[in-house]
Amino acid sequence: KAGVTQTPRYLIKTRGQQVTLSCSPISGHRSVSWYQQTPGQGLQFLFEYFSETQRNKGNFPGRFSGRQFSNSRSEMNVSTLELGDSALYLCASSLVGTGASYEQYFGPGTRLTVT
Amino acid sequence: AQSVTQPDIHITVSEGASLELRCNYSYGATPYLFWYVQSPGQGLQLLLKYFSGDTLVQGIKGFEAEFKRSQSSFNLRKPSVHWSDAAEYFCAVGASYNTDKLIFGTGTRLQVFP
Repeated sequence: KAGVTQTPRYLIKTRGQQVTLSCSPISGHRSVSWYQQTPGQGLQFLFEYFSETQRNKGNFPGRFSGRQFSNSRSEMNVSTLELGDSALYLCASSLVGTGASYEQYFGPGTRLTVT
Repeated sequence: AQSVTQPDIHITVSEGASLELRCNYSYGATPYLFWYVQSPGQGLQLLLKYFSGDTLVQGIKGFEAEFKRSQSSFNLRKPSVHWSDAAEYFCAVGASYNTDKLIFGTGTRLQVFP
């Protein structure tokens, strides 16, 4: 069974631009979560989607948005990029998103560099 | 609010030595606790998890962790470390039962000397 895939793996953007990152969960998984990882702030929760609905959102500005499609694939978008958005963005999927019962599988991440 | 503290930023051990990584949590109810490992350039891999029941949890790669409610701790242990265990280790607590949202600690970087 293929794991969680994230595209692209590496991305370089300029301040002010916008970016879209993609996450394909494990086949059959319906829950997708996104995290931002930086050396200064560590791993921070961005959002969680289940059956195309955003179920949770972290404490990030409105420039960060996401969505989930009917095939459970998810995208996140960051508009008006700032230098501080440079980070590793991790996506995780699980079967039904109840946290307690099912393991989350993480993708390798997308390394975003903003110059 | 839930929180996780990993007091050790960096730990160095010799190959073959025992290992204990510390994790303390703050959570109002029975916590759902996890340990993840991240190798350079990789995503996170689940080592083990605690939901309820036996407070000593066995995981993959020979790791175990013990949940101690009285100390609000969930320390990760391994009796004999291998050079391939060098990585960053994250403790996390589940935000609640019906969500996948995790609150992570700041991580502990493990270095293994031959």
